[in-house]
Amino acid sequence: NAGVTQTPKFQVLKTGQSMTLQCAQDMNHEYMSWYRQDPGMGLRLIHYSVGAGITDQGEVPNGYNVSRSTTEDFPLRLLSAAPSQTSVYFCASSYSRVSNYGYTFGSGTRLTVV
Amino acid sequence: AQTVTQSQPEMSVQEAETVTLSCTYDTSESDYYLFWYKQPPSRQMILVIRQEAYKQQNATENRFSVNFQKAAKSFSLKISDSQLGDAAMYFCAYWDAGNNRKLIWGLGTSLAVNP
Repeated sequence: NAGVTQTPKFQVLKTGQSMTLQCAQDMNHEYMSWYRQDPGMGLRLIHYSVGAGITDQGEVPNGYNVSRSTTEDFPLRLLSAAPSQTSVYFCASSYSRVSNYGYTFGSGTRLTVV
Repeated sequence: AQTVTQSQPEMSVQEAETVTLSCTYDTSESDYYLFWYKQPPSRQMILVIRQEAYKQQNATENRFSVNFQKAAKSFSLKISDSQLGDAAMYFCAYWDAGNNRKLIWGLGTSLAVNP
């Protein structure tokens, strides 16, 4: 089925480890983004991309890197995991930067940093 | 800066009854869009309904409808004939056509459906 695929669904990291959260979409969407969801804080934008080769920072970019080498993929890298990065991470995409049709979300990754 | 406020952290409704979730927003823009998303326990974020600010007619999707009051900057979601599967977290979100071009999210309302 067409949609946004995120892997892994669950991950436990030790402080200081690095890892990459994968996100892929097969809808030819231009716009892709990463959010983190924390209790009482809603969804906060980490990074986004308006097309291959173009990325930009959101509200909470520190500690995260992204790249967009293809239209389909938008991985999120944690450089040196910290307990404050324990969260649920969502990848979302939309047809264009003009996201007036709403976003399609992946199923999320629950990350725990110990 | 635009903000979205959901004043009801938790709500409950009896199965088959109607419930209304509140959302207010603050903006100086005239061209924008509003959304309601549902997040069930599975964690998946699902778009429920979308409203364009320039349309006066309230959006409707099956049992879900909105009451959009542009002057009051209010965008409430009405769920009719509530079902057990409607139990979820509901998020209101705002997007404008200006330079921002990012979704602004409310903190959510947790809806319980009682059998």
